[in-house]
Amino acid sequence: DSGVTQTPKHLITATGQRVTLRCSPRSGDLSVYWYQQSLDQGLQFLIQYYNGEERAKGNILERFSAQQFPDLHSELNLSSLELGDSALYFCASSVGSRGGDTQYFGPGTRLTVL
Amino acid sequence: DQQVKQNSPSLSVQEGRISILNCDYTNSMFDYFLWYKKYPAEGPTFLISISSIKDKNEDGRFTVFLNKSAKHLSLHIVPSQPGDSAVYFCAASVISFGNEKLTFGTGTRLTIIP
Repeated sequence: DSGVTQTPKHLITATGQRVTLRCSPRSGDLSVYWYQQSLDQGLQFLIQYYNGEERAKGNILERFSAQQFPDLHSELNLSSLELGDSALYFCASSVGSRGGDTQYFGPGTRLTVL
Repeated sequence: DQQVKQNSPSLSVQEGRISILNCDYTNSMFDYFLWYKKYPAEGPTFLISISSIKDKNEDGRFTVFLNKSAKHLSLHIVPSQPGDSAVYFCAASVISFGNEKLTFGTGTRLTIIP
């Protein structure tokens, strides 16, 4: 158990819909990272928040947005969903702000867009 | 543009023998490298890392080697055990205009044969 929790575990929705994925970091960790893993793909970095502020941005689509709240939990919002958005979405947390810091991953949310 | 490449999608090794997983990168600015291990239905877990100022880092059965001139990273597991069967991701970090992120390879599925 990494100490990072993600909800829901599975999500099935239709194209054009909007969903919100939730992540609670390990106690004491200030950074939260979001990753997307599509079939046969590596982990694609989406976005990082550190202590409530956006710290780094990766290949995140404009239809996607994220935020980190004062209690340090984070939400990833995916809107106007397309079939190609079906993937595993991982959240990770680390103590510091550096991308190379050891990141602890949650179990992931599997999103299926029908 | 895949800056971190794991060209072997899968590898099978006999139990007790050495497993060697390889990773190549293209960005010479990467200054920190990590290996993560992932079991099915779980998030990746940190395994071992190496700074670009070193060429070797060892932790128990796991050793990571870095060849900067060849832009090549390898993970050695010796002796290999059945519990090592998992997908292994290499990742690299660089600070670029303050927008630091971790870039992952596509993973190598290691199967240890009893």
